[in-house]
Amino acid sequence: DAGVTQSPTHLIKTRGQHVTLRCSPISGHKSVSWYQQVLGQGPQFIFQYYEKEERGRGNFPDRFSARQFPNYSSELNVNALLLGDSALYLCASSLAGHGYTFGSGTRLTVV
Amino acid sequence: DQQVKQNSPSLSVQEGRISILNCDYTNSMFDYFLWYKKYPAEGPTFLISISSIKDKNEDGRFTVFLNKSAKHLSLHIVPSQPGDSAVYFCAASAGGGSNYKLTFGKGTLLTVNP
Repeated sequence: DAGVTQSPTHLIKTRGQHVTLRCSPISGHKSVSWYQQVLGQGPQFIFQYYEKEERGRGNFPDRFSARQFPNYSSELNVNALLLGDSALYLCASSLAGHGYTFGSGTRLTVV
Repeated sequence: DQQVKQNSPSLSVQEGRISILNCDYTNSMFDYFLWYKKYPAEGPTFLISISSIKDKNEDGRFTVFLNKSAKHLSLHIVPSQPGDSAVYFCAASAGGGSNYKLTFGKGTLLTVNP
């Protein structure tokens, strides 16, 4: 069975650019969450989506947005990239009551 | 304001001995706690969890203890194995069980020496 898959695995962008990160959940999982992990810190909650609706949002600026598609895959968009947005972006999917399974993440470097 | 704190950035133990990783929290609304293990270039992997109605949960070599009055939990690994070497994250959620928003600590790097 495929786990949570994220693409791309690595990405380099320039300040001010826009980026789209993609996530495919485990088959049957209807909830997708996004986390940002900066070097030396724990993952920090960005968004959670369930059945295509936003269920929760962390303390991130409006430059961060996300959506979930009818097949439950998800995109995370970040506009006007800053150097501080450089991080590992983790996607996790879950089946109600069974906890999260994380993907391997997308390593974003902003230069 | 860090609501979940792992005050030891690193821990080194000998193979076969006990590893004890500690975690403190400040938010009284947290009612579900989890431990994740993370290897480089991989996402966090769920290890073990505990609800606030319990004070201990055991799964094989892994045991989590919760002291609600002290707002403290710990993960015990017995016996420790070299393959346990990884970063361990403590995480907590409030009101949503195991698949709601998680608040993570900064992690503790465990090194198990052969």
